Amino acid sequence: DGGITQSPKYLFRKEGQNVTLSCEQNLNHDAMYWYRQDPGQGLRLIYYSQIVNDFQKGDIAEGYSVSREKKESFPLTVTSAQKNPTAFYLCASSPRGAESTDTQYFGPGTRLTVL
Amino acid sequence: GQQLNQSPQSMFIQEGEDVSMNCTSSSIFNTWLWYKQDPGEGPVLLIALYKAGELTSNGRLTAQFGITRKDSFLNISASIPSDVGIYFCAGATVGSSNTGKLIFGQGTTLQVKP
Repeated sequence: DGGITQSPKYLFRKEGQNVTLSCEQNLNHDAMYWYRQDPGQGLRLIYYSQIVNDFQKGDIAEGYSVSREKKESFPLTVTSAQKNPTAFYLCASSPRGAESTDTQYFGPGTRLTVL
Repeated sequence: GQQLNQSPQSMFIQEGEDVSMNCTSSSIFNTWLWYKQDPGEGPVLLIALYKAGELTSNGRLTAQFGITRKDSFLNISASIPSDVGIYFCAGATVGSSNTGKLIFGQGTTLQVKP
């Protein structure tokens, strides 16, 4: 089945450790996005990538890093520089071209808890 | 950053009732999207709108792209318990069409009493 997968579903880390969240899609979408969601809040954009080997900062990029070496994969690293990393992280992708370019499809999310 | 004004913030209704929620912005949008998010899950796309005035249905859900291109509404008819969740609107402005970035509303939490 085509879709977006994120792993793991739940992740626990000690304060000061870097952690990498996985996002994979087999929809052949060019663009991929990472969002952060805090309890009772909307979605905030961390990083996005419109094409392989290229990515841009979103609204809250500080303390995070990404890579886009393959079209299917867009991993997010939460570094120790992120002051409040405990949150629900969502990955999304969207196709390019035609009027459906802006439509984003989301993965199931990863809940990160930093102890 | 820029945000959409989504209302109401929360709703508690009786099963069988109709529901209406809306999003407004000061900017012109060229895409409106409506998502539903269940607790602990990612948002699921319900309806996508691409043209001003467009009215689209998906089962008991109906959404419209406002004629001014600055608003959109979502209606749910004959609500059932599984409609419980958080509904988000999202839009793409004319200026963001090259990046695909979306602007999200804060969400409407819907609770349905059986």
